[in-house]
Amino acid sequence: QQQVKQSPQSLIVQKGGISIINCAYENTAFDYFPWYQQFPGKGPALLIAIRPDVSEKKEGRFTISFNKSAKQFSLHIMDSQPGDSATYFCAASSRSGGYQKVTFGTGTKLQVIP
Amino acid sequence: EPEVTQTPSHQVTQMGQEVILRCVPISNHLYFYWYRQILGQKVEFLVSFYYNEISDKSEIFDDQFSVERPDGSNFTLKIRSTKLEDSAMYFCASSLDAELEAFFGQGTRLTVV
Repeated sequence: QQQVKQSPQSLIVQKGGISIINCAYENTAFDYFPWYQQFPGKGPALLIAIRPDVSEKKEGRFTISFNKSAKQFSLHIMDSQPGDSATYFCAASSRSGGYQKVTFGTGTKLQVIP
Repeated sequence: EPEVTQTPSHQVTQMGQEVILRCVPISNHLYFYWYRQILGQKVEFLVSFYYNEISDKSEIFDDQFSVERPDGSNFTLKIRSTKLEDSAMYFCASSLDAELEAFFGQGTRLTVV
């Protein structure tokens, strides 16, 4: 029940296209859903996060869509750029469990080709 | 920009040996964490630490693991008797508050042979 399932495992998108990564969770106690971006040789870095009281959050080219009833959330990267090529992890945590005791998804390796 | 720094970047050790992974969190942060990432797999929470004691740990963090804040700046993860399956990238992270963003270091790649 602690799992966060993420798909696809890898994604190739042309420059300017939309990258979409999907995640699903089971634990209804989760109330914080961050996305992390990881470049090779670096640690994960927080990209954007959402709480379940909103259905969408947008920051620049990055948008999280959240469907509480389906227990699903997704990351959309608009106008994808080669510099966005990285591994993306969705994650979840809860106030009761400790926000930083984050359960990560399995990761999506995104490659944006020129 | 302040950052979490980890040393060494890569450590190779023989099975059964003790290793200490070191981290210098961001200076005014109060919460410290260790995560690990086995090659090609997801990042997994190990332990959180606040005010000189463990605040939470996962089932991975067994008696072979310990954490310490030996002075005002360092935060260490010790693995007492390494096993082959301990080979992974270990990330340290810190946050100002339990509900604020945690910043990750660049990781230490541990290889147990």
